Amino acid sequence: GAVVSQHPSWVICKSGTSVKIECRSLDFQATTMFWYRQFPKQSLMLMATSNEGSKATYEQGVEKDKFLINHASLTLSTLTVTSAHPEDSSFYICSANDFRGTGYEQYFGPGTRLTVT
Amino acid sequence: DQQVKQNSPSLSVQEGRISILNCDYTNSMFDYFLWYKKYPAEGPTFLISISSIKDKNEDGRFTVFLNKSAKHLSLHIVPSQPGDSAVYFCAARDITSGTYKYIFGTGTRLKVLA
Repeated sequence: GAVVSQHPSWVICKSGTSVKIECRSLDFQATTMFWYRQFPKQSLMLMATSNEGSKATYEQGVEKDKFLINHASLTLSTLTVTSAHPEDSSFYICSANDFRGTGYEQYFGPGTRLTVT
Repeated sequence: DQQVKQNSPSLSVQEGRISILNCDYTNSMFDYFLWYKKYPAEGPTFLISISSIKDKNEDGRFTVFLNKSAKHLSLHIVPSQPGDSAVYFCAARDITSGTYKYIFGTGTRLKVLA
């Protein structure tokens, strides 16, 4: 299957600072990537759809000025959590579709654990 | 409004027996369904999928059944192995907004007992 990587795998930051998380498709190109957030013992919540070369599409209730998404190339999307607060602590996961196959399957990165102190 | 539901938060099965994980959905416009397996602190791993025009797809020990009239799908794992113990998510592809996105259920924690 396709490989998606995320960096960093975990990060601890102080309240008020910004954190950037990278999502890369390693062996395929992805015009669209997705960013999810998962709270403990809960489902994956779609935050936004990242589109290469255009603005991201945010889900209702997700602050676009707080969660900045940049899809700079066909293999890289970044999520920046600006002015992070403890309530932003969560597990962030990205995914991408590999259209070399059926195109329907999403492949996920390993996730990034963010802890804001 | 939970469009994809997994009503059983957990399931325990004896090794060698069949595991059946269920998922219900409400949106008849979903065109593709997927099952993922997830370990703690890792990203989900794709298992198997099914198009809305089919009613069954099989891949090794994994079979997914789709009942469109009931808006229900299930994942069968047979025989179950201890390594199958994980959280399983079903997901549905939503194309109603003009683009597409994936809606996930709340997950079912499967424990296979040796």
